[in-house]
Amino acid sequence: DAGITQSPRHKVTETGTPVTLRCHQTENHRYMYWYRQDPGHGLRLIHYSYGVKDTDKGEVSDGYSVSRSKTEDFLLTLESATSSQTSVYFCAISESKRGSYNEQFFGPGTRLTVL
Amino acid sequence: EDKVVQSPLSLVVHEGDTVTLNCSYEVTNFRSLLWYKQEKKAPTFLFMLTSSGIEKKSGRLSSILDKKELFSILNITATQTGDSAIYLCAVVPIIQGAQKLVFGQGTRLTINP
Repeated sequence: DAGITQSPRHKVTETGTPVTLRCHQTENHRYMYWYRQDPGHGLRLIHYSYGVKDTDKGEVSDGYSVSRSKTEDFLLTLESATSSQTSVYFCAISESKRGSYNEQFFGPGTRLTVL
Repeated sequence: EDKVVQSPLSLVVHEGDTVTLNCSYEVTNFRSLLWYKQEKKAPTFLFMLTSSGIEKKSGRLSSILDKKELFSILNITATQTGDSAIYLCAVVPIIQGAQKLVFGQGTRLTINP
């Protein structure tokens, strides 16, 4: 398995509280991604990073922010959690070889419940 | 807006049956289509299909891509209970740089003994 860990693995929080999820990789891959997975929607991209301090929005970025201060860490923050953000969150990483598809490897996921 | 639609959303069959899972897509700048298998944890990569590789096979699993009709199918023959999983289809709009995959809803496949 690719060296990707996520923490915490499970979290229950209340509406309005801030939450930060962490993704840590040991593969030195350039690209990192945050997805959420909900029934009926598959995986949807929240934010991604193409290098230290370089991030961009995905298709469902509202209510989320990210930061990447080191190659190995990509943080996802919910500034004020809402019940609609109850989901399973996956981090993924990929390399940057030119001219070919670079497989994305997924972390184990974080199950977040917002009450 | 890029879109991927999978069908059926759920399928229950008996061990030994053959199943066909469908994936249709609408995407600008299509580069490739991917199939993932997801059991109780993270998705794992199965196949990649591109215009230069429109058919792939690995053991009992095979997949084809029809770029004209914009769909792909994943076939599983002689199914086993270990094939029970969610199967995800995704398209890759670009091939270099950050690859913002667009996923379908997934098909939940259950194989009963």
